[in-house]
Amino acid sequence: GQQVMQIPQYQHVQEGEDFTTYCNSSTTLSNIQWYKQRPGGHPVFLIQLVKSGEVKKQKRLTFQFGEAKKNSSLHITATQTTDVGTYFCAGSRTDSWGKLQFGAGTQVVVTP
Amino acid sequence: DAGVIQSPRHEVTEMGQEVTLRCKPISGHNSLFWYRQTMMRGLELLIYFNNNVPIDDSGMPEDRFSAKMPNASFSTLKIQPSEPRDSAVYFCASSFWDTNTEAFFGQGTRLTVV
Repeated sequence: GQQVMQIPQYQHVQEGEDFTTYCNSSTTLSNIQWYKQRPGGHPVFLIQLVKSGEVKKQKRLTFQFGEAKKNSSLHITATQTTDVGTYFCAGSRTDSWGKLQFGAGTQVVVTP
Repeated sequence: DAGVIQSPRHEVTEMGQEVTLRCKPISGHNSLFWYRQTMMRGLELLIYFNNNVPIDDSGMPEDRFSAKMPNASFSTLKIQPSEPRDSAVYFCASSFWDTNTEAFFGQGTRLTVV
């Protein structure tokens, strides 16, 4: 079955530093979505990538979809304490439209 | 719109009891998902519906779990009988199937089986 893997599982960052979290799928995806979950909260949609090689930016966040549509990355620059939370990628296969499978997430801790 | 509404927010029950979790999706959405989140297993897709029809229930752990969607505005996830290992946060999410866009999550139900 489809496996969506995320690394690293944990990321400890100093405020102001940059970091990247990676998402890899065993199969080609029709799209990839990224979500953020604050401690004690629920996942909240950040962005969706659909095209091969697509890059999107949201302020300090840069999202990328691989050329083969099997991997994705989220890069955060100048980390702030508000970036604390768990970041999930989620993908759908082309032959199972709508079946959104989540990765295990990257838990981000920011120290001032 | 109030978003996806789940009830109850917290549930504590004894092993062997029946538990029913409820979800009201966002009006107009035609896809509904049930997820379970634990520290060990992360966010697992249990089942999802399109236009009230179950499409894939391969994530349902065992026969003790069942889900229904009698109409477009209501779904239930039932566990009978419940076991301590069922303790988790259960999320319901909804979206537009046709465009496969973002899933909106409810606040979740934190289930504790003692």
